[in-house]
Amino acid sequence: AQSVAQPEDQVNVAEGNPLTVKCTYSVSGNPYLFWYVQYPNRGLQFLLKYITGDNLVKGSYGFEAEFNKSQTSFHLKKPSALVSDSALYFCAVRAYGQNFVFGPGTRLSVLP
Amino acid sequence: ETGVTQTPRHLVMGMTNKKSLKCEQHLGHNAMYWYKQSAKKPLELMFVYSLEERVENNSVPSRFSPECPNSSHLFLHLHTLQPEDSALYLCASSQGTGFSQPQHFGDGTRLSIL
Repeated sequence: AQSVAQPEDQVNVAEGNPLTVKCTYSVSGNPYLFWYVQYPNRGLQFLLKYITGDNLVKGSYGFEAEFNKSQTSFHLKKPSALVSDSALYFCAVRAYGQNFVFGPGTRLSVLP
Repeated sequence: ETGVTQTPRHLVMGMTNKKSLKCEQHLGHNAMYWYKQSAKKPLELMFVYSLEERVENNSVPSRFSPECPNSSHLFLHLHTLQPEDSALYLCASSQGTGFSQPQHFGDGTRLSIL
């Protein structure tokens, strides 16, 4: 069975500092990994995905994520956080032939 | 992003009412999904339609009834709901159900059951 863990319910970071939102996963076979962001009163927006190839994936709004197979992790990162990055972030995993499984979400607060 | 439109945005209904949620996608996708998002819980996949045929029903109670008349429209018909059904209902679409395709979400319908 597939599963996704986001170990932190809440992450606080000062504006201009680097941010990391953590994600670990469990899946049989090769994982296909995704990050989504949800702003208040909105649906989820796709940020980036890892399917194969380079372990460092770049996405929208300056976000990037690093796939680490040995640690079964796919942490989301940004070099310099903005107040407007404050939102709810979801990691998702999918194995071939399976549906998406989403993590519980991590609330990011960027403080001015 | 307004590629997936959901109406209404908010709905309050009694347990004996019948209502429908509507989803329309303008992205040319051929797969559509219903999700339930409750506070403090992961997203729950409810239904998957591919090429207008239901391919997955994740043991959802029969008081929820989906309908997909064409690849652009998806409905969720509701009847005799329970208070625990209060949640944000999200529609999503994708180009196929292939593993590499991300899903595009609407802004949801906030449902409150009295």
